Amino acid sequence: ETGVTQSPTHLIKTRGQQVTLRCSSQSGHNTVSWYQQALGQGPQFIFQYYREEENGRGNFPPRFSGLQFPNYSSELNVNALELDDSALYLCASSLGGTSTEAFFGQGTRLTVV
Amino acid sequence: KQEVTQIPAALSVPEGENLVLNCSFTDSAIYNLQWFRQDPGKGLTSLLLIQSSQREQTSGRLNASLDKSSGRSTLYIAASQPGDSATYLCAVLFTLGRLYFGRGTQLTVWP
Repeated sequence: ETGVTQSPTHLIKTRGQQVTLRCSSQSGHNTVSWYQQALGQGPQFIFQYYREEENGRGNFPPRFSGLQFPNYSSELNVNALELDDSALYLCASSLGGTSTEAFFGQGTRLTVV
Repeated sequence: KQEVTQIPAALSVPEGENLVLNCSFTDSAIYNLQWFRQDPGKGLTSLLLIQSSQREQTSGRLNASLDKSSGRSTLYIAASQPGDSATYLCAVLFTLGRLYFGRGTQLTVWP
């Protein structure tokens, strides 16, 4: 059974650019969620995808968008990067529902300069 | 407003001590609560998941309890070791699809 994998592990971008982060969910998991973790803070929910449809969104602007593919892998896209977007971006996969455990990847460290 | 609070923010103890990390949440209508460990700059490792119908869960030296009526959970670590040094995060599933996290407790266990 493979775990959750994210790519790339580190990324440096310039303000105003666009970035795509990728996540492969754990085998058998159909639900992927994305979180942003600023330094010294707990992770904040960005959005969730279930069977290729967005299934909930946190308090993030529309320039944060995502996709889920038929194999349940997912992408997080951020347009018009701002300095405050610098953070650790975490992907979590689960079976969905109320009783399942969420498993996280190792994260992508994004630095916007 | 659904919020999760963790106390203390930081804890430094000598090896061998038993310790308790606290998590409180604002709404008793939860689906489940999960404790995670995070090493510096890394992702989250799931430690324990407690369903809303359960009172506690145990894994090795770790024991987590849940009291929904008072909005509290505790993570008990027995016989702490330097390898336990990390940030411990509490996360609550209030609403389907999103976990609400506390800011974590940064634990240092010194030899």
